[in-house]
Amino acid sequence: RKEVEQDPGPFNVPEGATVAFNCTYSNSASQSFFWYRQDCRKEPKLLMSVYSSGNEDGRFTAQLNRASQYISLLIRDSKLSDSATYLCAVRPHAGGTSYGKLTFGQGTILTVHP
Amino acid sequence: ETGVTQTPRHLVMGMTNKKSLKCEQHLGHNAMYWYKQSAKKPLELMFVYNFKEQTENNSVPSRFSPECPNSSHLFLHLHTLQPEDSALYLCASSQMGTVGSYEQYFGPGTRLTVT
Repeated sequence: RKEVEQDPGPFNVPEGATVAFNCTYSNSASQSFFWYRQDCRKEPKLLMSVYSSGNEDGRFTAQLNRASQYISLLIRDSKLSDSATYLCAVRPHAGGTSYGKLTFGQGTILTVHP
Repeated sequence: ETGVTQTPRHLVMGMTNKKSLKCEQHLGHNAMYWYKQSAKKPLELMFVYNFKEQTENNSVPSRFSPECPNSSHLFLHLHTLQPEDSALYLCASSQMGTVGSYEQYFGPGTRLTVT
């Protein structure tokens, strides 16, 4: 089983739609969770951090389900500009000298069309 | 801008060349990372530096040689690369050890083509 797994999509949705992505992780000791957005040929940009059960930022809501070991990202009222690849990242454990390292999923492609 | 810069942005090199990638972070972070991103593959962590000390080498071939002279600068020295090493090389930094940290911020990357 991969450490971090995402449905690669692509997800094609109309403007105004609500879309949700899931990301599963295998290490139950994982500590921190993040969603990044990556535009074509650009670097990943931090979208949201998920430190507890979840959080919300405008049209974006991230949730964490520790029991089932997944995080989700919900985008409401999709805009054309939301078209991108969405990467989830997981900090595997709290110990050791590399406890800041993140493991990334392969990304989910979202296309929002008019 | 994320406060992490990388140069060059694009690099074409032959298999016998030696080149270096440079990364600088202006965020006061204490950890820096090199990642490789190939088409249709997840981000692959290559190296981790924590307070200038290398704490992780993710089974990277010796033709990639990192250097971290201080907490703000990170280099990746390249020699005798193979065509399959063509990829986007991303540098990132983070602040480790405080509550609410570990968020990584990426530079714009160097798009490397090995001919």
